[in-house]
Amino acid sequence: GESVGLHLPTLSVQEGDNSIINCAYSNSASDYFIWYKQESGKGPQFIIDIRSNMDKRQGQRVTVLLNKTVKHLSLQIAATQPGDSAVYFCAETNTGNQFYFGTGTSLTVIP
Amino acid sequence: EAGVTQFPSHSVIEKGQTVTLRCDPISGHDNLYWYRRVMGKEIKFLLHFVKESKQDESGMPNNRFLAERTGGTYSTLKVQPAELEDSGVYFCASSQGTGPYGYTFGSGTRLTVV
Repeated sequence: GESVGLHLPTLSVQEGDNSIINCAYSNSASDYFIWYKQESGKGPQFIIDIRSNMDKRQGQRVTVLLNKTVKHLSLQIAATQPGDSAVYFCAETNTGNQFYFGTGTSLTVIP
Repeated sequence: EAGVTQFPSHSVIEKGQTVTLRCDPISGHDNLYWYRRVMGKEIKFLLHFVKESKQDESGMPNNRFLAERTGGTYSTLKVQPAELEDSGVYFCASSQGTGPYGYTFGSGTRLTVV
C-alpha cells in the first residue's frame, strides 16, 4: 500500500528564519505532489504543487523540492512568519484522483 | 465563489448512535471526495463521487459507513452504528475536472464518539 510519512512531527522556528519540512513517500509511480497547510478549525489549504517531471518549484516565499531518487519531498518556507504556524501535510497521487497524505508536521513560529 | 461547506462542524454522539455528515461542494464541481483524519494520523481517502456515481469507494472502512450524493449535488456520509474508533475529523473536497487539480477542501466535521 501507499506510505507517505514525515520525518519530524513538530518543528519550532524563530520568526524570520527559514523553515524546512520534509516528507518521504514510497510509491515511485506517484506523479503529482502537493503541500497543504492546515490551520486550526480549517480544512487543508493548497500551498504549492509539483509534478514528477520537475525537481523544484517556487512560489511566494515557498519552494518545493522533489528528489525522486530517494523519494523525498521538502517544503521550504522563507522568512517564516507567525501566520505560518499550522500543520503541514504532503500528499501524493498517481491515479489522478485519490491522494495519499502524510501524518503532518506541526510548525510553530516563535515571535 | 462559495467554498466547500460542511456541517455540522462538530458532533458528539454516543457509541451505537447514528450520525449524518453533510457536504456541499463548490457549485459546478462534479468530483466530490470524502477523507478522514483519525487523531494524530494521516488524512485517509474514503471515497470519490463523480456527479451522483461512486467512482471509488475503496477507502470506506466497513459497511457501517454509507455515502450518498443525491442528484450530483450535496453529499451525505452516514455512520450507523457509530463506534469509538470512528472519532476523527471528516473532510470533504471537490474539484471540477478530472485529476487532482483544483482540489478544494471544506473545514471538516469533527466527530467524537463517546
